[in-house]
Amino acid sequence: DTAVSQTPKYLVTQMGNDKSIKCEQNLGHDTMYWYKQDSKKFLKIMFSYNNKELIINETVPNRFSPKSPDKAHLNLHINSLELGDSAVYFCASSQNPWIGTEAFFGQGTRLTVV
Amino acid sequence: QQQVKQSPQSLIVQKGGISIINCAYENTAFDYFPWYQQFPGKGPALLIAIRPDVSEKKEGRFTISFNKSAKQFSLHIMDSQPGDSATYFCASKLPGNTGKLIFGQGTTLQVKP
Repeated sequence: DTAVSQTPKYLVTQMGNDKSIKCEQNLGHDTMYWYKQDSKKFLKIMFSYNNKELIINETVPNRFSPKSPDKAHLNLHINSLELGDSAVYFCASSQNPWIGTEAFFGQGTRLTVV
Repeated sequence: QQQVKQSPQSLIVQKGGISIINCAYENTAFDYFPWYQQFPGKGPALLIAIRPDVSEKKEGRFTISFNKSAKQFSLHIMDSQPGDSATYFCASKLPGNTGKLIFGQGTTLQVKP
């Protein structure tokens, strides 16, 4: 049983297209995240959701819109894709963000914009 | 003030040797300091973590040393093995309900047999 699963694993698309990445966690966690890992492997948080409520939006272009239909799911929709959006996107979840507990990461979605 | 600086960028160690990766932070409000290990094509996975009221934590071959006054912490991998070859990230968590982790730049470790 995969704790945090994302689909698709790979996504190749043309500039200007709109795409979505789906994420599901079966850990019962209240908090979910999207992180972006660039070509230099730098990991940066994009969004944080707690109980379906957005609590962090890290100056991400508004072309990126997260949606949390329920506590177990956090999807990422990207409009008008640009070359610079190419990266690996990781979904993650954690149990208690207040005290700091393990963040479980999905396997990532490698997005390539051509 | 929210940066976490990690060094070295890459590290080559012989099997059985000690691998040491260092991180420095500026924000004294950080309240949780995890280390993550990432293999190619996989997501980061928690290796070991420490809180600022503890100076050292050991789990098997992995040890975190934490120096609150210097605002530094480090990961020591004893008896390094080829299977430890991966990218390691330190991170620091801001207080509050966001759970936001600020990651270091990563260290690519290669352990030679």
